[in-house]
Amino acid sequence: NAGVMQNPRHLVRRRGQEARLRCSPMKGHSHVYWYRQLPEEGLKFMVYLQKENIIDESGMPKERFSAEFPKEGPSILRIQQVVRGDSAAYFCASSRRGQGSLETQYFGPGTRLLVL
Amino acid sequence: DAKTTQPNSMESNEEEPVHLPCNHSTISGTDYIHWYRQLPSQGPEYVIHGLTSNVNNRMASLAIAEDRKSSTLILHRATLRDAAVYYCTRPGYSNYQLIWGAGTKLIIKP
Repeated sequence: NAGVMQNPRHLVRRRGQEARLRCSPMKGHSHVYWYRQLPEEGLKFMVYLQKENIIDESGMPKERFSAEFPKEGPSILRIQQVVRGDSAAYFCASSRRGQGSLETQYFGPGTRLLVL
Repeated sequence: DAKTTQPNSMESNEEEPVHLPCNHSTISGTDYIHWYRQLPSQGPEYVIHGLTSNVNNRMASLAIAEDRKSSTLILHRATLRDAAVYYCTRPGYSNYQLIWGAGTKLIIKP
């Protein structure tokens, strides 16, 4: 029973390039959450999606960042025109029903983005 | 402030119990408290969660204060594999967000 999968595990980009981070939720899960983690800090919520819908993007920067979770395929977090401050670990989590804090979120191994 | 508050680090000897405290004084009456742990270069791993009463599972126990403003994660017999950063989390602005503090780095001495 595969857990949450993320790829790539490591991504290096130069300033101004685009970064695409992929997340495949656990089997049977249709709710996906993206978090960002800076070194020595806790995770910070970015966005919550269900299939084909963005439910809560209150933690997403207003510019350059976007997320989607299409009917088929993985969820994608896209960062356009990356800057050095985007360097961080990005984690995806999934849950089965999206029942808020009642439900456990299961996390992937993360994508570590380094912007040169 | 919705963040949880935890000690930066704690040390314990192997095979001894560990009590990891967390303050969440602004939590609402229907918000669950979730604990995760994170090993270096890995994603957070679910440990336990609860609402009001104490909870037990194969990994740990969770003791929640009667006023729900604090909780304690209990590892009954710590092993070297339990060395990790432990995070106490709670819902934030919306019920779907988990708010994370800086966590407690647990050091296990052999």
